[in-house]
Amino acid sequence: ETGVTQSPTHLIKTRGQQVTLRCSSQSGHNTVSWYQQALGQGPQFIFQYYREEENGRGNFPPRFSGLQFPNYSSELNVNALELDDSALYLCASSLGPGGAYGYTFGSGTRLTVV
Amino acid sequence: AQSVSQHNHHVILSEAASLELGCNYSYGGTVNLFWYVQYPGQHLQLLLKYFSGDPLVKGIKGFEAEFIKSKFSFNLRKPSVQWSDTAEYFCADPGGNQGGKLIFGQGTELSVKP
Repeated sequence: ETGVTQSPTHLIKTRGQQVTLRCSSQSGHNTVSWYQQALGQGPQFIFQYYREEENGRGNFPPRFSGLQFPNYSSELNVNALELDDSALYLCASSLGPGGAYGYTFGSGTRLTVV
Repeated sequence: AQSVSQHNHHVILSEAASLELGCNYSYGGTVNLFWYVQYPGQHLQLLLKYFSGDPLVKGIKGFEAEFIKSKFSFNLRKPSVQWSDTAEYFCADPGGNQGGKLIFGQGTELSVKP
């Protein structure tokens, strides 16, 4: 079975630009969650998508948005990038939306905003 | 607000030493808890999980954790660490399955000296 794949692995953007990060969920998983992990911190929940709908959102501004496609892959879009958006962005997929299913994480996209 | 606390930020041990990493959670409802490990340059991997039943949970690679409800704790243990256990360890709480949110602790960096 394939795991969770994320692209790109590294990205450098300029403040004010927009970025799109992509995630392919593990085979058989219908739920995708996104996390932001700043240096030296634990991952912070951005939002979750289940059956192409947003199923929950963390404390992130509206310029963080997402999509889930019929094949359960997902995109994270960040508009008007700020320096503090520099972080590792993690995607996790699961069999369902509840925490009891457990999560499979991708290796992340390292975003640097300059 | 629900939270997870890991009080040890960086632990340094010699090989064969015993390990205990602290984790405290705040959610008082139905408790599910996870320990994840992140080896250098790799994705987050599930070490073990607690849902209900026996409070002593066995995980992969010789790790175990004990859920103590009265102390709101879920400490990770290993009787004898190896150099290959060098990694960052995260305790996480699904927070009662609310909107798919996994609440992570700040992480504990473990360095094992050969």
